[in-house]
Amino acid sequence: GQQVMQIPQYQHVQEGEDFTTYCNSSTTLSNIQWYKQRPGGHPVFLIQLVKSGEVKKQKRLTFQFGEAKKNSSLHITATQTTDVGTYFCAGPNYGGSQGNLIFGKGTKLSVKP
Amino acid sequence: KAGVTQTPRYLIKTRGQQVTLSCSPISGHRSVSWYQQTPGQGLQFLFEYFSETQRNKGNFPGRFSGRQFSNSRSEMNVSTLELGDSALYLCASKQGDRYNEQFFGPGTRLTVL
Repeated sequence: GQQVMQIPQYQHVQEGEDFTTYCNSSTTLSNIQWYKQRPGGHPVFLIQLVKSGEVKKQKRLTFQFGEAKKNSSLHITATQTTDVGTYFCAGPNYGGSQGNLIFGKGTKLSVKP
Repeated sequence: KAGVTQTPRYLIKTRGQQVTLSCSPISGHRSVSWYQQTPGQGLQFLFEYFSETQRNKGNFPGRFSGRQFSNSRSEMNVSTLELGDSALYLCASKQGDRYNEQFFGPGTRLTVL
């Protein structure tokens, strides 16, 4: 069945280092969403990418959607302790409804001050 | 605007019991989706309701059911609880009928003993 895979599962960085998480889908996606979940919290929407090759920036965060619309990445420049949490990518579940997202298992980021 | 609310926040039950969880979406949102989050399986889609109709259901046994009321509030029910049902249950609401961002509630932490 349709799958969304994310790597790495865990990433430990020193504050100030960069961080990247990668997301790969088994199918072409119409769009991809990214969420962040702080420890003890709930997923919070970060961004949605729709166009092939799209790149969007939010301050130190850079999101990319691959040309084939099957992969995506999130890059954080100069991590801060406030970046700690788990980052999820999610794509629509084809064969499902619009409220049905398939989530990657997430990349858990820890930042050492 | 108030966010998505879920009640109760924590619940402890024993095997064989049943449980009902409640979710109030953001005002004006007609779509409510439910997800189960566990450390091993990550975020898994349970079902989505839109205008009181279940639009899609994930790969969960029939013990998991839900409904939506005319005011868009939603409930999910799990009957004959098993130890493996221990999880964080998240509901998410969204506006409109397109692939757009989902707003998650704080979740209900269910522990089955």
